[in-house]
Amino acid sequence: DQQVKQNSPSLSVQEGRISILNCDYTNSMFDYFLWYKKYPAEGPTFLISISSIKDKNEDGRFTVFLNKSAKHLSLHIVPSQPGDSAVYFCAASLLSNDYKLSFGAGTTVTVRA
Amino acid sequence: DAGITQSPRHKVTETGTPVTLRCHQTENHRYMYWYRQDPGHGLRLIHYSYGVKDTDKGEVSDGYSVSRSKTEDFLLTLESATSSQTSVYFCAISGRERSYEQYFGPGTRLTVT
Repeated sequence: DQQVKQNSPSLSVQEGRISILNCDYTNSMFDYFLWYKKYPAEGPTFLISISSIKDKNEDGRFTVFLNKSAKHLSLHIVPSQPGDSAVYFCAASLLSNDYKLSFGAGTTVTVRA
Repeated sequence: DAGITQSPRHKVTETGTPVTLRCHQTENHRYMYWYRQDPGHGLRLIHYSYGVKDTDKGEVSDGYSVSRSKTEDFLLTLESATSSQTSVYFCAISGRERSYEQYFGPGTRLTVT
């Protein structure tokens, strides 16, 4: 049973505009949530994380928002750049479970010029 | 970047043959993980290790075994490869300061014919 879900398989956005990626989870015990970015033929790279006790974390153009009551998080990329075109994975960690990550299926972002 | 390498990077093998994938890290991290990535499924954990000779199963462990005789090496073995094991395999290590963050190797693309 998938505990982390990304319901939008793809997103197309114009360069300079905002990209919003969404993620839902079912396990309210998750301690941290993470976003990874993946280019073709490369391994996923860590992008940004947020603790379950926070509702926002910002790092440059990337901001993650967490709504615990809705079991929902989102990643905002502002402004979107061509190099942001990639697959983005949402993941969640339960620290008491050997730091194992549960991943969503991913969202492919295409930034149009 | 975390010092993680995977070998081979690509492999084509026949059904029924044994295959071993290698993950090597230079970071002396305790936790190591093996994932497979398939379309529509994101990354799914196969097996992981929490120390030398200490391993445990993930969510898709059937048909796979692992071994870790040294801190730096984590081997994934397909005892008798099947076509359903055609996938891209990623190794990851947990972060030193923030163990909930994982850092991934470049991946191995395995095709079972």
